[in-house]
Amino acid sequence: GENVEQHPSTLSVQEGDSAVIKCTYSDSASNYFPWYKQELGKRPQLIIDIRSNVGEKKDQRIAVTLNKTAKHFSLHITETQPEDSAVYFCAVRKYNFNKFYFGSGTKLNVKP
Amino acid sequence: DAEITQSPRHKITETGRQVTLACHQTWNHNNMFWYRQDLGHGLRLIHYSYGVQDTNKGEVSDGYSVSRSNTEDLPLTLESAASSQTSVYFCASSVGQGARQETQYFGPGTRLLVL
Repeated sequence: GENVEQHPSTLSVQEGDSAVIKCTYSDSASNYFPWYKQELGKRPQLIIDIRSNVGEKKDQRIAVTLNKTAKHFSLHITETQPEDSAVYFCAVRKYNFNKFYFGSGTKLNVKP
Repeated sequence: DAEITQSPRHKITETGRQVTLACHQTWNHNNMFWYRQDLGHGLRLIHYSYGVQDTNKGEVSDGYSVSRSNTEDLPLTLESAASSQTSVYFCASSVGQGARQETQYFGPGTRLLVL
C-alpha cells in the first residue's frame, strides 16, 4: 500500500499570514498528488493538484510544491482569508493504480 | 450538468437492520469509491470498483458490500448495521490515469446514524 502522513493536524493563522501544510508518502511509484478542501458539512473538493513530472504549481493564492527525492509535497496558502478556514486533505495515487490514499487532514483556522 | 449524487442524505436506522446507500454519477466514470469519514480518521476507503462487475475491498470493508451492475451506480450495503458504522459516507468517482481531469470527485455525503 501507501503510507501518507499529513502535518500539522491543526493550524491557526492570522488573516493575511501564510499557511503551509505538508504531506509525506512512502511509495516512490506515486505520481499524482491532489489537495482537497472540505468546508464544514460539505464534500471534499479539489483545489490544486500536481503530477510527478512537475516541481511546483500555482493558482492565485495557493501553490503546491513536490520534492520527489524526499517524498514530500506541501500546500502553500498566501494572504489567508477567513473563508480559507476548512479541513485540507492531501492525497496520493500510484502509477498504474486508480486508488487514492488520503492524509488524515489539517484543520486550518484563519483568525480575522 | 454531469454530477455525482447520493441518497439518502440523512438516515437513521436500528442495529441489525440492512441499509443501502445509493451513489449515482452521470460522468460515465469507470472508477467509483466509497469512503467513511469519522472525526480523527480522515477518509477511509471501504470498497471500490474499476468498472462493471468489478469490486474490491478497501481498508475498512468488514460489514459492508457493494455491487456494480452498470457504470453509473455503486450502491453500498450495510448487511447488519452496527453502532460503530455511524458515520458520514462519501461516494467518489474518477476517470482514471492519463485523463485531463484525473482526480476524484466526491458526492455530497450521507449521514448515517445507527441506534
